[in-house]
Amino acid sequence: AQKITQTQPGMFVQEKEAVTLDCTYDTSDQSYGLFWYKQPSSGEMIFLIYQGSYDEQNATEGRYSLNFQKARKSANLVISASQLGDSAMYFCAMRGLTQGGSEKLVFGKGTKLTVNP
Amino acid sequence: KAGVTQTPRYLIKTRGQQVTLSCSPISGHRSVSWYQQTPGQGLQFLFEYFSETQRNKGNFPGRFSGRQFSNSRSEMNVSTLELGDSALYLCASSFGGQVETQYFGPGTRLLVL
Repeated sequence: AQKITQTQPGMFVQEKEAVTLDCTYDTSDQSYGLFWYKQPSSGEMIFLIYQGSYDEQNATEGRYSLNFQKARKSANLVISASQLGDSAMYFCAMRGLTQGGSEKLVFGKGTKLTVNP
Repeated sequence: KAGVTQTPRYLIKTRGQQVTLSCSPISGHRSVSWYQQTPGQGLQFLFEYFSETQRNKGNFPGRFSGRQFSNSRSEMNVSTLELGDSALYLCASSFGGQVETQYFGPGTRLLVL
């Protein structure tokens, strides 16, 4: 079974500073994908960044980067130069193959990030 | 390119009623997945449809069902509503290939009274 653990229920960061949101995962799949989503109070899940299990380089998307350490089974999200609009819930998710070739996302419980001015 | 759309955005129902939620995926996407989000249980996978066939199902009772049409649009139905069904229901679409990114819609907030 796959499992995602986010140990930080809430995080605070000052505007313009960097912040790291932790994520560890557990899976027996050889091929899998790791995702980070942002969920503002409006409810929509916004895709931020993706890391494939066979990707050797850490993924980056603008101010977002994923610190992928496969041996430690961790996939931490780093947000550089935080902005007030970054305040939201952040979810780490994993997707791997299930029987029958279908896939599903398994989510962590999320981290609520608050950016202070 | 239009994103994933979900209708309605908000719903209020009473116990025992049934409800149908709709999801239109991104153009070209053939996989649609449904998730339930509650404060207590977090985000939980309901089911996934690909090319009009249910490919995977989560651990939800049979009251929760879905279908997908030939244009990839999907509907989710919940019969005999219970108070605990109050949740945000999110739909996500992808091309359906191996380990692809799922893009989510804005969700439908269901309140059962």
